[in-house]
Amino acid sequence: KQEVTQIPAALSVPEGENLVLNCSFTDSAIYNLQWFRQDPGKGLTSLLLIQSSQREQTSGRLNASLDKSSGRSTLYIAASQPGDSATYLCAVRRRRDDKIIFGKGTRLHILP
Amino acid sequence: GAVVSQHPSRVICKSGTSVKIECRSLDFQATTMFWYRQFPKKSLMLMATSNEGSKATYEQGVEKDKFLINHASLTLSTLTVTSAHPEDSSFYICSARDPGQYSYNEQFFGPGTRLTVL
Repeated sequence: KQEVTQIPAALSVPEGENLVLNCSFTDSAIYNLQWFRQDPGKGLTSLLLIQSSQREQTSGRLNASLDKSSGRSTLYIAASQPGDSATYLCAVRRRRDDKIIFGKGTRLHILP
Repeated sequence: GAVVSQHPSRVICKSGTSVKIECRSLDFQATTMFWYRQFPKKSLMLMATSNEGSKATYEQGVEKDKFLINHASLTLSTLTVTSAHPEDSSFYICSARDPGQYSYNEQFFGPGTRLTVL
């Protein structure tokens, strides 16, 4: 059974700090891993998608890494801003049934 | 990137009524669409996989007669919540798989539909 765990569940940091969100998954047989952002009451915004053959992806102030062998991914946010406040979801697409399994998310609050 | 829309974005209904939610892929043809449900402060849980022209495959614990899924065309899937009750109140999100050559069969998510059953 594929489980996706995100730590911490919630995080509050002052504006300007660099921060790391963690995601771990139990089954390494995945096609890819994806990080999403979800604002309250809204849908999902895809931030970064890392294929299983890749180690990392970058977009602006965001950098996501993938270590498939250890079942871990991190999302690094540089120079955080209040607008980064949201819930960040990690999801893996598993090979055996091609389903996407989501973690419970990290609720991030950037203090102005 | 590919765009997926949902309609309505928000619906409030009385207990016992049925509600239909539409999911459309706007710029690609999706042979497979997925329906997820999200409870407050919880993660997304897959409800069913919808394949165009065939019956949907439901996840364990999801009532087929309660959540009717129709995928009649390559750009449209519908989820009908029949005889809705307050416990069906939730955020429903669909996704569509783009089989395009450069998309790695990536799934694209709709903006979600907030269902409130009174």
